[in-house]
Amino acid sequence: KAGVTQTPRYLIKTRGQQVTLSCSPISGHRSVSWYQQTPGQGLQFLFEYFSETQRNKGNFPGRFSGRQFSNSRSEMNVSTLELGDSALYLCASSPGQEALYYEQYFGPGTRLTVT
Amino acid sequence: GENVEQHPSTLSVQEGDSAVIKCTYSDSASNYFPWYKQELGKRPQLIIDIRSNVGEKKDQRIAVTLNKTAKHFSLHITETQPEDSAVYFCAASTRNNFNKFYFGSGTKLNVKP
Repeated sequence: KAGVTQTPRYLIKTRGQQVTLSCSPISGHRSVSWYQQTPGQGLQFLFEYFSETQRNKGNFPGRFSGRQFSNSRSEMNVSTLELGDSALYLCASSPGQEALYYEQYFGPGTRLTVT
Repeated sequence: GENVEQHPSTLSVQEGDSAVIKCTYSDSASNYFPWYKQELGKRPQLIIDIRSNVGEKKDQRIAVTLNKTAKHFSLHITETQPEDSAVYFCAASTRNNFNKFYFGSGTKLNVKP
């Protein structure tokens, strides 16, 4: 099976702009989680989607939003970008089913730089 | 919410030695504890995990132990090799939190040849 893919891999944006990142999970996986990784804060949970519904969210401002499509692909949007949003954004795919509930597999990430 | 602390932040060992990384968690409802390895510029990769109904799990040179009473779990790597050099993250989650993982701050392991 193909692994988790994320596009684009690199992005440079200006403060105040908005950005949309995309994640395609492993085939058959229905859960997609998003994380922000920075040197100072480590890996922080943004939100998780399962069957097009947001099931859980972390402590990020409303500028960070997401959605999931019927094919399980997910997008994450950040509006009104700030310098502090510069980070590696990782998505993780999981079956989301009872028997293999927990195992998450990460994509390569999108490196976002805000100038 | 859950708080996961990880120690040490850096660890340097000689090739062939063992390495131990420790994590503590605060939420007694946490019941799943994965470990990830992240090489420079690459994605985190799941290397081993343990569930709360098990005290120890081994996979070749790596093992994880869990002490639910003390709320801590550890990663053990034996016979370390230079390719084990990476950043290792521990994490914790609870069944009711639907894949919401709390990560430790990471340990940079350097295996010297």
